[in-house]
Amino acid sequence: GAVVSQHPSWVICKSGTSVKIECRSLDFQATTMFWYRQFPKQSLMLMATSNEGSKATYEQGVEKDKFLINHASLTLSTLTVTSAHPEDSSFYICSAVTTGTGYEQYFGPGTRLTVT
Amino acid sequence: AQSVAQPEDQVNVAEGNPLTVKCTYSVSGNPYLFWYVQYPNRGLQFLLKYITGDNLVKGSYGFEAEFNKSQTSFHLKKPSALVSDSALYFCAVRALYNTDKLIFGTGTRLQVFP
Repeated sequence: GAVVSQHPSWVICKSGTSVKIECRSLDFQATTMFWYRQFPKQSLMLMATSNEGSKATYEQGVEKDKFLINHASLTLSTLTVTSAHPEDSSFYICSAVTTGTGYEQYFGPGTRLTVT
Repeated sequence: AQSVAQPEDQVNVAEGNPLTVKCTYSVSGNPYLFWYVQYPNRGLQFLLKYITGDNLVKGSYGFEAEFNKSQTSFHLKKPSALVSDSALYFCAVRALYNTDKLIFGTGTRLQVFP
């Protein structure tokens, strides 16, 4: 149980284009989802917290107009990187939490974004 | 503010030997502590957690962690390391009581040699 999927697992896009990453909780309803960014050999940087039906809460320093987050249902959150630039290239990971799981987050497998 | 520290960037251990990956924390109030493991190009997998109760917590894949309040530590341990345990390990603490946000340590790379 508690499986989280991400799609796509990797994506290459050209500078200036937008790319959408999906995060789905497959066997539970996620009251909250989180989006992280991880640079090579570094820890996870929390980008935003996403609650179903409400606006995402972004961490300080994260551009909300650049990283659009939508949490349309209890099983789906999306991250759209708009007008991507090479510096947006990174590993993006989502996680999900539901009530009754004991507070641990369940993580997706990650999406490798490369902007050329 | 809540924080966790992982003082070692890398830990090397021979297969079959016991392993320890260190984590110390700084929190106000009672800590909610977690260990996660990350294999290359993958998301994080939950290993174990301490919320309350016994100080020795047992988790997945034979790992355990000991909560030590006086030393503010939550070290991850395994009695006998496997080569397949080689991965990146993260300690985390819940940010606040009214949020599910986690604050992660910088990670420790465990290398188990045959």
